[in-house]
Amino acid sequence: QSVLTQPPSVSGAPGQQVTISCTGSTSTIGPFFDVHWYQQFPGTAPKLLIYGNDNRPSGVPDRFSASKSGTSASLVITGLQAEDEADYYCQAYETGLGEVVFGGGTKLTVL
Amino acid sequence: QVQLVQSGAEVKKPGSSVKVSCWASGDTFSTYTFNWVRQAPGQGLEWMGRVIPFLDVSNYAQRFRGRATITADKSTSTAYMELANLTSEDTAVYFCARFGTPDTAMVKNWLDPWGQGTLVIVSS
Repeated sequence: QSVLTQPPSVSGAPGQQVTISCTGSTSTIGPFFDVHWYQQFPGTAPKLLIYGNDNRPSGVPDRFSASKSGTSASLVITGLQAEDEADYYCQAYETGLGEVVFGGGTKLTVL
Repeated sequence: QVQLVQSGAEVKKPGSSVKVSCWASGDTFSTYTFNWVRQAPGQGLEWMGRVIPFLDVSNYAQRFRGRATITADKSTSTAYMELANLTSEDTAVYFCARFGTPDTAMVKNWLDPWGQGTLVIVSS
C-alpha cells in the first residue's frame, strides 16, 4: 500500500488530454512539501518529468504540466502521443517516516 | 551532465548478501546525496535509503534498517548499496539516483539523474 495514491491506469486517444492524480496526506503533500513526477518506459530507469510541483526540466515537452492543491497533485498530458505510453510515478517526502515516498504508479495507455 | 553507472546483474542464493555500486561522473560527487530505489518485477518504485558523502551519513527506509547498508567512497566517486540476508522477495532492479540539488534535506528534493539499474535475482 503506497503512501501516495495514484490510479493504476489511465488511457486516452492520440491528441486528447489525460490527468493522473496523486493523493497524499498532510504529512506528504502540503504547503511546505513538493511533489515530483517521473516517466518510466519498460526496462529503463525512471526519468524526471516534473520537479518542485510544476517545473519542467529542460527537454521535457510543454505538453506535460503539473500542479498541486491541498494534499493532492496532478500531472496533465495534453496532445497525447503514442510515445507517451509509459508508467508515471509521483514522489514526495513523508515527514512522519522521514522517507522519500512514491505513488504506486499509473500506466498510461494511448489508444 | 552527470552520469550514474551501476555494476552488473547479480544472481544470489537466499541468505546471502549483494553489494551494488554506482559510479558518478563529474567532480561534484561529495556535494550531492545519493539514493537507492528498488523495483520488484511488475511493481512500483520503493525508496531504500540514501547517503550524504561529505557527511558520511546514511539514512534508511524503516523496512530496510538493519539489513541495508549504504555507503560512499569519495575517492572513487562511487556509492554502494549492500543488502544482507536476501530472500526471493529481494529479486528486483536496484537503481541509484542522485538528488537534484545539493540540499541534503529530503523535503523538497527530487531524484535526477538515475543509474541504469542493476538486476538482482535471488534464487536457490
